[in-house]
Amino acid sequence: VQLVQSGSELKKPGASVKVSCKASGSTFSNYAMNWVRQAPGQGLEWMGWINTNTGNPTYAQGFTGRFVFSLDTSVSTAYLQISSLKAEDTALYYCVSGTNWFDPWGQGTLVTVSS
Amino acid sequence: DIQMTQSPSSLSASVGDRVTITCRASQSISTYLNWYQQKPGKAPKVLIYAASSLQTGVPSRFSGSGSGTDFTLTISSLQPEDFATYYCQHSYLYPYTFGQGTKVEIK
Repeated sequence: VQLVQSGSELKKPGASVKVSCKASGSTFSNYAMNWVRQAPGQGLEWMGWINTNTGNPTYAQGFTGRFVFSLDTSVSTAYLQISSLKAEDTALYYCVSGTNWFDPWGQGTLVTVSS
Repeated sequence: DIQMTQSPSSLSASVGDRVTITCRASQSISTYLNWYQQKPGKAPKVLIYAASSLQTGVPSRFSGSGSGTDFTLTISSLQPEDFATYYCQHSYLYPYTFGQGTKVEIK
């Protein structure tokens, strides 16, 4: 499978953003789709995952409420929506496939929150 | 949550050196431990999964060992393309967590 993410976003505080992750090369409903955040100059933080078969999401602590994982299986695409954006949401967001280890990764989407 | 602690946070090494990075889990995770390499401006890629299994396409100079709480990533002979940041990650139970990373720099 290959994962291709949407392009960079520049948003104002309080706005929302929706990042897409399109899968190709394999049956979309056969795997787990994870989301990983990397703040500027920082390490990797697992945000949670969504079951591409059932659509059931699991969120890590700290990523509940404003963060929503969703799917559109008709176009083999996963989404990460973040609402009420804050400056500290500025980061690279990666989608990545896998249950016990993560492979392959999308190329990352930079979300910048600035007034 | 299970905490993952890597050491060192950074190291300087020369081409040809043997490099060892360690990762310690705050509780036993059996062999549910993975290693990733990230180069600047690029997405991470998996090197080792399940503590010691080499991902397809990864050079054999990379190896992993350990079980329980203590794990090691070894690069037997450092090559120019290996200068990068390395992360461990457990997949024992949710939430999966990463170590803070080890930056391998040129001496």
